[in-house]
Amino acid sequence: DQQVKQNSPSLSVQEGRISILNCDYTNSMFDYFLWYKKYPAEGPTFLISISSIKDKNEDGRFTVFLNKSAKHLSLHIVPSQPGDSAVYFCAAKASGGSNYKLTFGKGTLLTVNP
Amino acid sequence: DTEVTQTPKHLVMGMTNKKSLKCEQHMGHRAMYWYKQKAKKPPELMFVYSYEKLSINESVPSRFSPECPNSSLLNLHLHALQPEDSALYLCASSLRDSSSYNSPLHFGNGTRLTVT
Repeated sequence: DQQVKQNSPSLSVQEGRISILNCDYTNSMFDYFLWYKKYPAEGPTFLISISSIKDKNEDGRFTVFLNKSAKHLSLHIVPSQPGDSAVYFCAAKASGGSNYKLTFGKGTLLTVNP
Repeated sequence: DTEVTQTPKHLVMGMTNKKSLKCEQHMGHRAMYWYKQKAKKPPELMFVYSYEKLSINESVPSRFSPECPNSSLLNLHLHALQPEDSALYLCASSLRDSSSYNSPLHFGNGTRLTVT
């Protein structure tokens, strides 16, 4: 039973355009969400997080939107750069859960073309 | 640049060898973790250390033995591994491991382990 779903295995965008990565979840107890970026042969790098008390969090070129009623979150990268090409994992933590109890999605490979 | 440093980056070992993976962080984090990641899969939790004490062992075989010498260091001792143990081993840390305080995990770049 996959509680965090990233339904698009891959996404390709042009440099300078917006990249939108989507994530859906089924567990209504999730209240903290994170996005990680992973380059080949490297560990995941924490990008941005959002608590369920918010619907938007922004950090530079990265913005995460949370729609609790739809159990959906998205990561917007604008403008996209070739260096953003990586696998992006969405992760979620349940209310009252320890910080290591993250449920990860399977990832979306983003390719930004020059 | 990652603030969690892992050594070595690559390791090839035979099934009878003993080796150790090392992890270091100087962010003042009091929770440290070992994860295992297979290709195209998300990380899988192995061990959790909170304030230098082992708090979680996710039913990991005894051929993997963790050690936390101090708040900045985390080791994973390997002995008599199997070829199916070949994977990327990731260390991570967070400010603390608390259910009442959200703290993102910061991962190292991992050790790519190959067991022959």
